[in-house]
Amino acid sequence: EIVLTQSPGTLSLSPGERATLSCRASQSVSSSHLAWYQQKPGQAPRLLIYGASNRATGIPDRFTGRGSGTDFSLTISRLEPEDCAVYYCQQYGGSPLWTFGQGTKVEIK
Amino acid sequence: QVQLVQSGAEVKKPGASVKVSCKASGYTFTSFAIHWVRQAPGQRLEWMGWVNGGNGNTKYSQKFQGRVTLTRDTSAGTAYMELSSLRSEDTAVYYCATGAYGYYFDDWGQGSLVTVSS
Repeated sequence: EIVLTQSPGTLSLSPGERATLSCRASQSVSSSHLAWYQQKPGQAPRLLIYGASNRATGIPDRFTGRGSGTDFSLTISRLEPEDCAVYYCQQYGGSPLWTFGQGTKVEIK
Repeated sequence: QVQLVQSGAEVKKPGASVKVSCKASGYTFTSFAIHWVRQAPGQRLEWMGWVNGGNGNTKYSQKFQGRVTLTRDTSAGTAYMELSSLRSEDTAVYYCATGAYGYYFDDWGQGSLVTVSS
C-alpha cells in the first residue's frame, strides 16, 4: 500500500498569507496520478488539482500544485476566508488503487 | 453538469446490511465508473471499490472484499453499494464519485451517513 503522509496537521494563518501543504508518499507516485481535494465541513471533497499541477475547472490560480516522485506540495498563495477547509492529497496506483492522505486543516485567523 | 445524488441517512444494527444508492445525471452513465469512498469520523478518506457503468465489472479494495457488493442499473442511471456484516467501525459517511480519466475524482455525491449502533 502506498501511504500518503501530509504535514502539517493544522495550519493557522491570516488572510493574505501563503499556505504551503506537504504530501509525502511511501513509494514513488507518478505525477499524473496525484491529486488534491478541498473539503469544507459537511460537504463532499472538491477536486482542486490533478496530475500534480493542473488546476481543475473553476479553481482560482492562487492554488498551485507541485512535486514529483515522493514529495508533493499544494500552495495557496493569498489565503482568503473561504479557503478554510481540510485539504487531502490522493494517489492512484498500488494496492488499494486509490489512497488518500490524512489531511491538513487550514484555519484562517 | 455532472450530478450524483445519494440516498439518505441510515441507522443499522451490528450484523445487518445497508444499501446506498447513487443516481447520476449530466453525462452518459455507461461511459464512466462509479467509485465508492468512505470517511469514518476523524479518519482519512478510504476507497472501497468501483463499478464500471457500462459492463458492470467491479473491483474492490482488499479490505472490503467479501463484505461489499457494488452494482448498477443502467436504465435508472443509478449505482448501488451494499455493505454487509456491519460493525460499529463501519459508521461513516459514504460517498460515490466519478471521473473521466479514472485517476482522480472530478465529481462527488453529497454523501450518505451510515450509523451502526445497537
